[in-house]
Amino acid sequence: EVQLVESGGVVVQPGGSLRLSCAASGFTFDTYTMHWVRQAPGKGLEWVALISWDGGVTHSADSVKGRFTLSRDNNKNSLYLQMNSLRTEDTALYYCTKGTNSGSDHWGQGTLVTVSS
Amino acid sequence: QSALTQEASVSGTVGQKVTLSCNGNSNNIGSNAVGWYQQISNGAPKTVMFGNSLPSGIPDRLSGSKSGTTASLTISGLQPEDEADYYCSTWDYSLSAQVFGGGTKLTVL
Repeated sequence: EVQLVESGGVVVQPGGSLRLSCAASGFTFDTYTMHWVRQAPGKGLEWVALISWDGGVTHSADSVKGRFTLSRDNNKNSLYLQMNSLRTEDTALYYCTKGTNSGSDHWGQGTLVTVSS
Repeated sequence: QSALTQEASVSGTVGQKVTLSCNGNSNNIGSNAVGWYQQISNGAPKTVMFGNSLPSGIPDRLSGSKSGTTASLTISGLQPEDEADYYCSTWDYSLSAQVFGGGTKLTVL
């Protein structure tokens, strides 16, 4: 069974930094693209970033470009999102997802990031 | 404003067939497979369709299709448990980004 467990979400001040983690199991992690998708309170889904199976290719949304960095450790079956220069509009539930040819086929339960002074 | 356009709300009665649409352009839906995601009562999203494939455990009352730059999710024999928000998504070549629709709230009357 595919499992994705996010962690690291906390309350942080504007301008601060945070690293989210996603622990994956139940599939061959090092053969899949992985994504982060977020959802602000009361809003829709917003794609954040993706990383290729080997970490060689990353893409991110314009809203986070230059501030968020995606990485992975295939030896630990883990995905990471380093978030710097956080803004209040980054407040959201962050989901880790397993990639397919059309987006995502499995989702974690999410970890909540709150950016507030 | 979302790159993909979905109806804000759709409703139907139990047993009815409803179709949700997702409109894009040649750089996204016109070029790539579309995924559909169900979110019930602010729980975690669940994939209910990727491309034209049903994930394991999703009832075959759901079906997906695409024509040009419009994708559709059809739910036949609507059930109360189908009441949820539904999002479409695909890759956009011009943006080099995954794009989502704004979501459709499906109400089962």
